[in-house]
Amino acid sequence: DAKTTQPPSMDCAEGRAANLPCNHSTISGNEYVYWYRQIHSQGPQYIIHGLKNNETNEMASLIITEDRKSSTLILPHATLRDTAVYYCIVRITSGTYKYIFGTGTRLKVLA
Amino acid sequence: EADIYQTPRYLVIGTGKKITLECSQTMGHDKMYWYQQDPGMELHLIHYSYGVNSTEKGDLSSESTVSRIRTEHFPLTLESARPSHTSQYLCASSETGSVGNTIYFGEGSWLTVV
Repeated sequence: DAKTTQPPSMDCAEGRAANLPCNHSTISGNEYVYWYRQIHSQGPQYIIHGLKNNETNEMASLIITEDRKSSTLILPHATLRDTAVYYCIVRITSGTYKYIFGTGTRLKVLA
Repeated sequence: EADIYQTPRYLVIGTGKKITLECSQTMGHDKMYWYQQDPGMELHLIHYSYGVNSTEKGDLSSESTVSRIRTEHFPLTLESARPSHTSQYLCASSETGSVGNTIYFGEGSWLTVV
């Protein structure tokens, strides 16, 4: 099963872009990269996912390297409400559809 | 927006009591999950279900049990609660065949056993 590695914490100034990296060097060809975030005391919230192409939605952009061994979640204009723990997940496709969450990156947006 | 609901959101109960945490989703998703999370810690999968009458244990051993009699309902039960069961319990669901199989979470149930 592919695992992910993320920095434990990051700070970002309000209004600036927040770039959150994730390594997934053992990812398989048919596994998607997902990003979720969890604001204190709430359930994780889906942000974006991708397979090999870069993706963008109203919340964020996802950049996946050509070899798919790493990705970056970009919040283009971070606000104080983006302060949360961000999880990078590789979808396990062994038939169980389990999602394994790691420790994530604690992003703090500073005023 | 995800339509998955958990009740109660917060509960304080005494040791030895039986408790059921309710989880319902209105999206018709076939797969449902229970995660356990202590404050500031990782989420751990404790139960999941592929569909009606299907339940499996997750990666973290749990004394809780689950049932899946209806597609939309996936309750979690603790027969005899202990202080070690104090935690946040998160229910989630996903749909087979959806692109990427996105998982959606409820708001969580905070359980305190005294």
